[in-house]
Amino acid sequence: GAGVSQTPSNKVTEKGKYVELRCDPISGHTALYWYRQSLGQGPEFLIYFQGTGAADDSGLPNDRFFAVRPEGSVSTLKIQRTERGDSAVYLCASSLTFGGLEQYFGPGTRLTVT
Amino acid sequence: DQQVKQNSPSLSVQEGRISILNCDYTNSMFDYFLWYKKYPAEGPTFLISISSIKDKNEDGRFTVFLNKSAKHLSLHIVPSQPGDSAVYFCAAHRVGGSNYKLTFGKGTLLTVNP
Repeated sequence: GAGVSQTPSNKVTEKGKYVELRCDPISGHTALYWYRQSLGQGPEFLIYFQGTGAADDSGLPNDRFFAVRPEGSVSTLKIQRTERGDSAVYLCASSLTFGGLEQYFGPGTRLTVT
Repeated sequence: DQQVKQNSPSLSVQEGRISILNCDYTNSMFDYFLWYKKYPAEGPTFLISISSIKDKNEDGRFTVFLNKSAKHLSLHIVPSQPGDSAVYFCAAHRVGGSNYKLTFGKGTLLTVNP
């Protein structure tokens, strides 16, 4: 079956621009997570959704970052006024149930802010 | 403050030998641990996990050991194969409550030489 997919795979943008990153979770998975992986680091938690609602957004670094999941499936991570420090790989994961311990990751979107 | 630490950024072993990857944690609230494997340009893939009520879990060539008193876990791969060459992340999870995020270490790059 299809795994978690993320688009685009690469995104280059200029400082100050707005970007949207998309995640399609595994069909039927109710929980969805966003992580950010900077160079030389492990993935760091940003936000997770149970269904349509953001159950925990404590990892979002500031109010330039926002994520939605309006129909409980696809999610979009939105970054306003991008900064060079936002450059990283943004990973999406899903799990079958709320609190599902095994999270399945997508390939990530590599964001480069110039 | 890094709650999950992988102090060896890299490890090189010969094919057929044992690979031992180590992980330490500081948060005593963690009670479930996972190992993920990551190839370049792919997302992390789940490898093996262990609950804190156990001290060992084995799956084929992969065994994870947990020493709860030392807050230390290790992943053993026997025998190592060239296809095992990847970055291995240790991750921890606090079961219960309302937070289901994974906390990752920085990863260890394993190279298995033919």
